[in-house]
Amino acid sequence: DTGVSQDPRHKITKRGQNVTFRCDPISEHNRLYWYRQTLGQGPEFLTYFQNEAQLEKSRLLSDRFSAERPKGSFSTLEIQRTEQGDSAMYLCASSSLMFNNEQFFGPGTRLTVL
Amino acid sequence: AQKITQTQPGMFVQEKEAVTLDCTYDTSDPSYGLFWYKQPSSGEMIFLIYQGSYDQQNATEGRYSLNFQKARKSANLVISASQLGDSAMYFCAMRTGGGNKLTFGTGTQLKVEL
Repeated sequence: DTGVSQDPRHKITKRGQNVTFRCDPISEHNRLYWYRQTLGQGPEFLTYFQNEAQLEKSRLLSDRFSAERPKGSFSTLEIQRTEQGDSAMYLCASSSLMFNNEQFFGPGTRLTVL
Repeated sequence: AQKITQTQPGMFVQEKEAVTLDCTYDTSDPSYGLFWYKQPSSGEMIFLIYQGSYDQQNATEGRYSLNFQKARKSANLVISASQLGDSAMYFCAMRTGGGNKLTFGTGTQLKVEL
């Protein structure tokens, strides 16, 4: 399977704990995006990387959130001191200018904060 | 600011019939791209079709076509010959200018019936 993959698919945690999600983009894609989707809503943009550089961050990305893409390949999204309001689906997407910059999404990580 | 509006929270269609899902957008940027994604219950966002603001013809991809009316700022998705597997949530999204993030609408839940 050469699509975008995310791990884990589901995460249940207690309020106050830290969690980390991983995204592996399509191999030839140099751009990587994180979105958050809450129930009944469309995805909302969180942040974007071109290669290893984080070029844009949404105001939704509070200080408790940090994203990295250290070698320009996979990316991690960490949430520190989780709150119940962080419960959502976290979606990763990747794209390449060679393919009209169309974003291809992974299956998402569903986070539940108890 | 960019905004996508999808006014149909839910739609029903009979198998083999055509259905139109509405999408209107708002942007002051003359250069933009419009996307439709399908999200089944499994959660993954599946890219369906893309329309650029300068494209002269409406986009088509198999059973999907995009009815692009620039003056009305609408980009409706038409699905022909509906199949049971088309039952899913459908999101309209926009990318503006040289930006990279997608702005999504709230989605339309489509149910295909026998």
